[in-house]
Amino acid sequence: GQNIDQPTEMTATEGAIVQINCTYQTSGFNGLFWYQQHAGEAPTFLSYNVLDGLEEKGRFSSFLSRSKGYSYLLLKELQMKDSASYLCAVKGPDAGNMLTFGGGTRLMVKP
Amino acid sequence: EAGVAQSPRYKIIEKRQSVAFWCNPISGHATLYWYQQILGQGPKLLIQFQNNGVVDDSQLPKDRFSAERLKGVDSTLKIQPAKLEDSAVYLCASSPRLAGSGSEQFFGPGTRLTVL
Repeated sequence: GQNIDQPTEMTATEGAIVQINCTYQTSGFNGLFWYQQHAGEAPTFLSYNVLDGLEEKGRFSSFLSRSKGYSYLLLKELQMKDSASYLCAVKGPDAGNMLTFGGGTRLMVKP
Repeated sequence: EAGVAQSPRYKIIEKRQSVAFWCNPISGHATLYWYQQILGQGPKLLIQFQNNGVVDDSQLPKDRFSAERLKGVDSTLKIQPAKLEDSAVYLCASSPRLAGSGSEQFFGPGTRLTVL
């Protein structure tokens, strides 16, 4: 089975940097995804890590350590529009491309 | 490129009634997923299709939920009869490559179901 933990809520200031952590305990691992979900909208893809290390994409970066079962999403130069839920999802070793999602971290960006 | 389409966007029913949701994935996407997302939680996979075959339905409550993807394109998810705890957003997603790859999933806008 898969167990994925993320903080429920975080608050940060516009222009600042915030790090959202995700830890997982899984029976197998084939990659980790981060999705952004604005209230009332569908999740949208942010990043995918399958090897250890940092993946940078503009203001967003994602880090993975497979030995520690740990990932984080780093958001720089925060904007008000970054207020959303951030979902960590782990892809298991099964035959399908199936994801197990964490509960999500609701980020509130304040002026 | 058109995204994943879902209808209806909202549905309100009384418990013990039946309801059906429809999903049209992105053209050419072989894999289709149905998720249930209860308010304040992450999405939970209900069923995954590869073309018109079921890959995994281990978390689908089969006594009341059913889903099909007869021609390998559109899909419907049905609940019969609905319970109060079925109130949630039902998300459909599709991915372009065959199961087992690291391809991302593209989500539709979801159907928000309220069971009274």
